[in-house]
Amino acid sequence: DVKVTQSSRYLVKRTGEKVFLECVQDMDHENMFWYRQDPGLGLRLIYFSYDVKMKEKGDIPEGYSVSREKKERFSLILESASTNQTSMYLCASSLAGGSYGYTFGSGTRLTVV
Amino acid sequence: AQSVTQLGSHVSVSEGALVLLRCNYSSSVPPYLFWYVQYPNQGLQLLLKYTTGATLVKGINGFEAEFKKSETSFHLTKPSAHMSDAAEYFCAAVNTGGFKTIFGAGTRLFVKA
Repeated sequence: DVKVTQSSRYLVKRTGEKVFLECVQDMDHENMFWYRQDPGLGLRLIYFSYDVKMKEKGDIPEGYSVSREKKERFSLILESASTNQTSMYLCASSLAGGSYGYTFGSGTRLTVV
Repeated sequence: AQSVTQLGSHVSVSEGALVLLRCNYSSSVPPYLFWYVQYPNQGLQLLLKYTTGATLVKGINGFEAEFKKSETSFHLTKPSAHMSDAAEYFCAAVNTGGFKTIFGAGTRLFVKA
């Protein structure tokens, strides 16, 4: 069964910490995405990548960075965690082209205290 | 810019009743269209998609959706609701030739016994 795996389901971090959220896919997909999901705000795109070492800002990149050193892995980095980054983070991947749809991971619920 | 509108943030139906979740897109060129489902504390799962061809699309769990170009709509239906259908449903669109997905705000479906 094809999969997108997010390393943690739940995380609690302190304000100011550097936080790494890891996402791995086993489908040889070119595209990978990071979203955050908040009640009433829907899904908001943080960053995406369409190839190894390539990255593009999404709609809300401030306070985040990403890394894609290998095709299967896409990491989201919170440089200095803040309480307003408490959220559900969803990773997704897709084949090149838009007609295939996304495969999502199970999500990481991050709480920053 | 492309947008996706889901009418109704909450829909409540009785078990066995028809499920109808509404979605409209704004684009002069019909995009690729998708429905995703999200169960509590899970990622999103692809239910069905429309790319080209037949306008009535069947998906998993007995759901189907009909693409109507004249109405710029892609409504999701299921003839008979089951308790296990209770979840949040997202309509989404990708412009032809692109790969970034625009998500609707989501509709939470409640199923009453």
